[in-house]
Amino acid sequence: QVQLVESGGGLVKPGGSLRLSCAASGFTFSDYYMSWIRQAPGKGLECVSYISGSGKTLYYADSVKGRFTISRDNAKNSLYLQMNSLRAEDTAVYYCARDPDSGYYFDYWGQGTLVTVSS
Amino acid sequence: DIVMTQSPDSLAVSLGERATINCKSSQSILYISSNKNYLAWYQQKPGQPPKLLISWASTRESGVPDRFSGSGSGTDFTLTINNLQAEDVAVYYCQQYYSAPFFGGGTKVEIK
Repeated sequence: QVQLVESGGGLVKPGGSLRLSCAASGFTFSDYYMSWIRQAPGKGLECVSYISGSGKTLYYADSVKGRFTISRDNAKNSLYLQMNSLRAEDTAVYYCARDPDSGYYFDYWGQGTLVTVSS
Repeated sequence: DIVMTQSPDSLAVSLGERATINCKSSQSILYISSNKNYLAWYQQKPGQPPKLLISWASTRESGVPDRFSGSGSGTDFTLTINNLQAEDVAVYYCQQYYSAPFFGGGTKVEIK
C-alpha cells in the first residue's frame, strides 16, 4: 500500500534553515509528480511546491520562491524540501503528497511534520 | 492565480440529513477541449491529513461512500453529503488544478 512518511520538522529560529524528507513506498516513485503542502495552525492548505517524476518540472508558490528548494532522489524513493531564510509565517504542518496523474491534485498524503519558526 | 471561495464557513446538520457545501472559482476551471472541470474535494478530520474524496468535480474516489457527490461546472461547484453520518464531521476543502493548485478556505461540518 502507498505510504508517505515525512521527517525533519522541528523548532528553528527566524532566518534559519531546515530540510524536510519524505520516504515513499508502495508505488513506483519515479512515475509520479510529488508535492509539499503546508497547513498553518488552525488554517487552510497551501501547495508550496511540486516536482515532476524526472525532477525537470518544478513549481513554487510565491510565498516561498527563492527560499525553498524541492528535490527528489528516485533511487532512494525520497522527496526533499530545503527551507532557508525561514520566517514565522512558515510555521505549519508540512505534508508530502502524491499526484495521481500529473494533474496537480493529490491522492495520498503523509501524516505531516511540524515546522515551528520562533525565537 | 485562480482563487477558490467556499461557503458557508461552517454548518451544522442533523444526522441523516443533507449537507451542501459550495465552492466558487474566480475564473472558469472547465477545460473546453476535454470538457473536464479541474476541481477536487477533500475531507480532513481532526489530527489527520486531508483525504481525496472527489476529482474532476464529480468522480468519486475508490472507497468513498456514495452519499458523497460532487457537481457543478465552470466556476460554481457543490459537494453534497446525503444522509449525514457522525463520521462525516470534518473540514471539507475544494481545490482547483486548472492552474497552480489552490485550495478553498474550508467548510467545517458539524452535527446539529
